[in-house]
Amino acid sequence: KAGVTQTPRYLIKTRGQQVTLSCSPISGHRSVSWYQQTPGQGLQFLFEYFSETQRNKGNFPGRFSGRQFSNSRSEMNVSTLELGDSALYLCASSLVQGEGELFFGEGSRLTVL
Amino acid sequence: GESVGLHLPTLSVQEGDNSIINCAYSNSASDYFIWYKQESGKGPQFIIDIRSNMDKRQGQRVTVLLNKTVKHLSLQIAATQPGDSAVYFCAENRGGNTPLVFGKGTRLSVIA
Repeated sequence: KAGVTQTPRYLIKTRGQQVTLSCSPISGHRSVSWYQQTPGQGLQFLFEYFSETQRNKGNFPGRFSGRQFSNSRSEMNVSTLELGDSALYLCASSLVQGEGELFFGEGSRLTVL
Repeated sequence: GESVGLHLPTLSVQEGDNSIINCAYSNSASDYFIWYKQESGKGPQFIIDIRSNMDKRQGQRVTVLLNKTVKHLSLQIAATQPGDSAVYFCAENRGGNTPLVFGKGTRLSVIA
C-alpha cells in the first residue's frame, strides 16, 4: 500500500509570501500530524488532525494553520513567511489519534529567501 | 541529501560492532516510546517501540531497553552495518491523546 505522500518536495519562497503544503496519508489512516524539522530545534510538533478536526496544536504562531479534508488528506499553510520558517515540514499519519506508530512522508523542504 | 541535524551528537562505530544509542526522556507519565531512523533525504522510519509495562523488547538486530527509574531509553543495534548510518530519534507519548514528542537525535556513522 502506498505510503504518506507530500507535495511539493522542494520549494523556494521569499519573505512575506505564503505557502501551502499537501499531505496524503496512508489509505485508511484518519489521523494526520505535521512536524517542523530544523537543525537547531529538531522535530517540533505543529498540529494534528483527526476526522477533519484539529485535535492538538503545538507552540507555533497563528501564521501556521492547517486543515483536513473528508478523505483525510491534509494541507498546512504558512502565511507571511519569515527566514526562520525555512525547514523540512514532515507529515505523518496513523490509524487512530494519539497512539501507535506514526508513518512519515519524505517531507517538503521549504527555503525562504 | 537533506541535512537533518548539524548540531547532533555523533556516534561513530566500526562495521560489525554493536551500537548503543541513548535517550533521556523527561515525563514520568510517558507510557509509550518509539525509536525512529532517518536517512538523508527521507522521513523518519519506525524501528521499534516499547510500552512502559516492559523494560526490554527485541527486534531484528535491534533491542530497546527502558529504565523508568532514571527515565532512560536505549537502542542497541547488533553487528552494525553501513546501511545503519542515519540519525536516530527517540519519541515519547505522554498519554491522553497528546502528540509524540521527539528527542534531538543522534547521528550514527558506521566506519567500513
